[in-house]
Amino acid sequence: GAVVSQHPSWVICKSGTSVKIECRSLDFQATTMFWYRQFPKQSLMLMATSNEGSKATYEQGVEKDKFLINHASLTLSTLTVTSAHPEDSSFYICSATKDRYEQYFGPGTRLTVT
Amino acid sequence: SQQGEEDPQALSIQEGENATMNCSYKTSINNLQWYRQNSGRGLVHLILIRSNEREKHSGRLRVTLDTSKKSSSLLITASRAADTASYFCATDDTGANSKLTFGKGITLSVRP
Repeated sequence: GAVVSQHPSWVICKSGTSVKIECRSLDFQATTMFWYRQFPKQSLMLMATSNEGSKATYEQGVEKDKFLINHASLTLSTLTVTSAHPEDSSFYICSATKDRYEQYFGPGTRLTVT
Repeated sequence: SQQGEEDPQALSIQEGENATMNCSYKTSINNLQWYRQNSGRGLVHLILIRSNEREKHSGRLRVTLDTSKKSSSLLITASRAADTASYFCATDDTGANSKLTFGKGITLSVRP
């Protein structure tokens, strides 16, 4: 159990367009979901924490108007990168937790902005 | 901010040898976790050790935690080529509301 999926697994978009990434917990209800980004050969940086039915809490330096997070249900959170630019190209990973101890990670979404 | 600091940053060993990776952190924690990431893939949870635990085993993995030194080690015994990956420690900091802070990671290469 505790499987998290992401869709799409990779996406290429043109500069100025918006991209939506979905994160789903497939076999459990996630009280909290987290969104991370990872640049090549670097670690994961937490972008925001998302609780179902409430506004996401963004980490310092993350623009909430650029990275829109919606947590519509206990099994789905979405991250929309608005007006994407090449510097937004990165690997975006979500995780979900059903208790406060373990986060279950999705397989990641590679975003390339041309 | 990056709290966990792993060392070495890169490790290359022969298949069958043991691999030891270390992680240091700075604040009080509820637990410390180790993850593996294969190139371009998501994270796989390896093991969690709580702040009141000193050692934990899971298969070929052995994790230690020294809260007085704010450090942890991950030992992989009898390494295999399939263990080649990046390894990250992550701390669940006290008062951080389940947020994890990841270290920079260690790249492990196991030569067949």
